[in-house]
Amino acid sequence: GPKVLQIPSHQIIDMGQMVTLNCDPVSNHLYFYWYKQILGQQMEFLVNFYNGKVMEKSKLFKDQFSVERPDGSYFTLKIQPTALEDSAVYFCASSLLDSYEQYFGPGTRLTVL
Amino acid sequence: QQKVQQSPESLIVPEGAMTSLNCTFSDSASQYFAWYRQHSGKAPKALMSIFSNGEKEEGRFTIHLNKASLHFSLHIRDSQPSDSALYLCAVRRGSALGRLHFGAGTQLIVIP
Repeated sequence: GPKVLQIPSHQIIDMGQMVTLNCDPVSNHLYFYWYKQILGQQMEFLVNFYNGKVMEKSKLFKDQFSVERPDGSYFTLKIQPTALEDSAVYFCASSLLDSYEQYFGPGTRLTVL
Repeated sequence: QQKVQQSPESLIVPEGAMTSLNCTFSDSASQYFAWYRQHSGKAPKALMSIFSNGEKEEGRFTIHLNKASLHFSLHIRDSQPSDSALYLCAVRRGSALGRLHFGAGTQLIVIP
């Protein structure tokens, strides 16, 4: 079936540094999402993105977070600067224009030291 | 704020048994209800979804929705060891841009 890829699978960085998480969505999908899962807790919505714009974001999507998909390349989540509480697994998802199903990637485990 | 809760947290069943997983939600305006399955270290993958009250069967899997009770469930007939995984329920309002609200998951282990 359709696959969403995420790069890297693991990332360790020092607090205060910038990090970019990359997502390669399903090729014909137009809606993109990021979710955050802290260890032992449920996955929570961060943001969704369509036609070059953030459509909806949650309170977890802090000012230090930004998303973009320049020229149809990777859909990225950038955190600058990082904080200890940003340590989590970040899942990317994409969906078709008229489809309710979101296809997820395997996640990027981010550790902030 | 939508609250989604799953029960049980974990479940061990013998091969061939019927497995039942439960999910409750708090927002009565929810219109999309889904079950995702996640094997360790892998991407969550949609199993089944339903929009209106009632049941939907696909192979060994049946999803049942009761909106009035704010409850839906997943039933697995003739459970197999390959069904062992983390099962996540997800709920969303009608908008195609709407966020998915997930439960914390039920860890299912099927013993051969």
